[in-house]
Amino acid sequence: AQSVTQPDIHITVSEGASLELRCNYSYGATPYLFWYVQSPGQGLQLLLKYFSGDTLVQGIKGFEAEFKRSQSSFNLRKPSVHWSDAAEYFCAVRGGGYQKVTFGTGTKLQVIP
Amino acid sequence: GAGVSQTPSNKVTEKGKYVELRCDPISGHTALYWYRQSLGQGPEFLIYFQGTGAADDSGLPNDRFFAVRPEGSVSTLKIQRTERGDSAVYLCASSASAANHGELFFGEGSRLTVL
Repeated sequence: AQSVTQPDIHITVSEGASLELRCNYSYGATPYLFWYVQSPGQGLQLLLKYFSGDTLVQGIKGFEAEFKRSQSSFNLRKPSVHWSDAAEYFCAVRGGGYQKVTFGTGTKLQVIP
Repeated sequence: GAGVSQTPSNKVTEKGKYVELRCDPISGHTALYWYRQSLGQGPEFLIYFQGTGAADDSGLPNDRFFAVRPEGSVSTLKIQRTERGDSAVYLCASSASAANHGELFFGEGSRLTVL
């Protein structure tokens, strides 16, 4: 069965600092991987996705993520965080040819001035 | 419509009552998903429809939960004999097809509170 682990429940960074949110997945073959963001009172929005090819993927709002098969990881990064990035971030995995998408428990990001 | 629409946005009910939550997906999207999100948790998969049929209902917690999508568009999640533990935000998402590799578009959710 597929699963996702987000080891950091809560992260605080200063505005302008770099950010890395960790995600580890479990799946027997090459997975499809996603990062979603959920701002207070809003629905989940897709930041980026990985299907195949280049392991470094670019997303919206200046985010990027790197797929590392050897580490079963798909960490999310941003070089310089803005106060508006404060939200909860979810990593998700889907197996090829199978539509169920499994989410991690999320990482809540706080940005301080 | 422009996005996934869920109604009601908030529902407060008493233990033992019956509840229906509605989801109107993005026009033309063939796949529809229901998730449940409790406070501090990630979305938990409940059921997935491809067209009118439930392709995977393995996430439904018990037989009090049921969902339908009779015409392949709007879906209704039905909860019988509600319990306090059913309190959560119920999220609906739609997806165009398998070709987009599972990219889901979410509604804003229906917050259910069972007193």
